[in-house]
Amino acid sequence: GAVVSQHPSRVICKSGTSVKIECRSLDFQATTMFWYRQFPKKSLMLMATSNEGSKATYEQGVEKDKFLINHASLTLSTLTVTSAHPEDSSFYICSARASEETQYFGPGTRLLVL
Amino acid sequence: AQTVTQSQPEMSVQEAETVTLSCTYDTSESDYYLFWYKQPPSRQMILVIRQEAYKQQNATENRFSVNFQKAAKSFSLKISDSQLGDAAMYFCAYREDSNYQLIWGAGTKLIIKP
Repeated sequence: GAVVSQHPSRVICKSGTSVKIECRSLDFQATTMFWYRQFPKKSLMLMATSNEGSKATYEQGVEKDKFLINHASLTLSTLTVTSAHPEDSSFYICSARASEETQYFGPGTRLLVL
Repeated sequence: AQTVTQSQPEMSVQEAETVTLSCTYDTSESDYYLFWYKQPPSRQMILVIRQEAYKQQNATENRFSVNFQKAAKSFSLKISDSQLGDAAMYFCAYREDSNYQLIWGAGTKLIIKP
């Protein structure tokens, strides 16, 4: 089956620093990847859609200068949280669109900003 | 706008019994996809089953099956012979044929009683 990895699985950083999260499709090429944020006991909130070789499309209310997305290859997308603040603490999940039109999800990254 | 509704915040079932999770959606489209995803305590989102709207036959994956009622816009998930490992949050999701973004329900927490 399609496997998506995410790194790191957990990160703690100081307020004001930047954190990069990587999302990789391990056994398939993904022209489209998605970044989600999930609050405790809530559903997934789509942050942005990342297309290989082009700029990401951000959802309303998501600051593109704060959440930088780069999709430089067909197997890698990165999300960088810039100048992180405690309110950015959350669970971030990526997914990749496989050829059969189904999204497969990474295991998620728990971010804690102190 | 499309919406997905899961009216059961929590369900419980005895081990080895059968349980049905409900999902309704609202759309004016005729071609779309429906999904059930499982999120166990590890928070890894796992695809359980998917249904193409143009297919009349209900999808089945081992102990998991759906009851897809297109006219009623209903997409329920039946889990037979429930196992302890089935305990998780279950999310219903909708996707248009022309758009890769998923619209998510609020989720149903499934508890398995031993």
